Amino acid sequence: DIVLTQSPLSLPVTPGEPASVSCRSSESLLHRNGYIYLHWYLQKPGQSPQLLIYLGSNRASGVPDRFRGSGSGTDFTLKISRVEADDVGLYYCMQTLQNPWTFGQGTKVEIK
Amino acid sequence: QITLKESGPTMVKPTQTLTLTCTFSGFSLSTSGVGVGWIRQTPGKALEWLVVIYWNDDKSYSPSLKSRLTITKDTSKNQVVLIMTDMDPVDTGTYYCAHTQRHSRVTMVRGVPRVDYYSYVDVWGQGTPVTVSS
Repeated sequence: DIVLTQSPLSLPVTPGEPASVSCRSSESLLHRNGYIYLHWYLQKPGQSPQLLIYLGSNRASGVPDRFRGSGSGTDFTLKISRVEADDVGLYYCMQTLQNPWTFGQGTKVEIK
Repeated sequence: QITLKESGPTMVKPTQTLTLTCTFSGFSLSTSGVGVGWIRQTPGKALEWLVVIYWNDDKSYSPSLKSRLTITKDTSKNQVVLIMTDMDPVDTGTYYCAHTQRHSRVTMVRGVPRVDYYSYVDVWGQGTPVTVSS
């Protein structure tokens, strides 16, 4: 199975400041078709996960442009340019290149 | 607007069979590229993908759970049913059904078109808690 390792696991942030979550894969997630099969989700407290970024860098519908996904091969980053109070929750990366689809452990983002 | 809602028992005993139903709206499981999958979350918040079924009845199971899982769809009722046998306390958690998009991309390889597929989960249901305990 492809293992996704996120860091940090806990991230205290200051509103208005940038924040970054890393996701490292045990195998390259770059498909021969040129797409990166890596996606990001945010699970706000008490809610189900919601899609933020798909195929490495594409923002899902309605996602603010302060969220940006980047990376290639095995190292990926989700960056929030200016954190807002509503951004707190658990952030997960997920790969759909290989069965079984797998998730990172999650990164808890909270306000300092 | 796509919505999904899970239903089923909140508690089952060890060795029993769990049956969960996902009822959805805002899309049809007869539309090309559409799928519905199941994902569970442990009490410790880890996420585990279980299975997906697509519009053409193509199914993909997590190998570690394949022997215990069955997924079916009823397009006329807008429902997907997950059956998990031989339940164990480690199966305790919240079970989500989720809309899954499957797309194709055609590239030319030495003048020959090649089709590759990619999928991602884009809308999750609210989840239903399941506790396995005697």
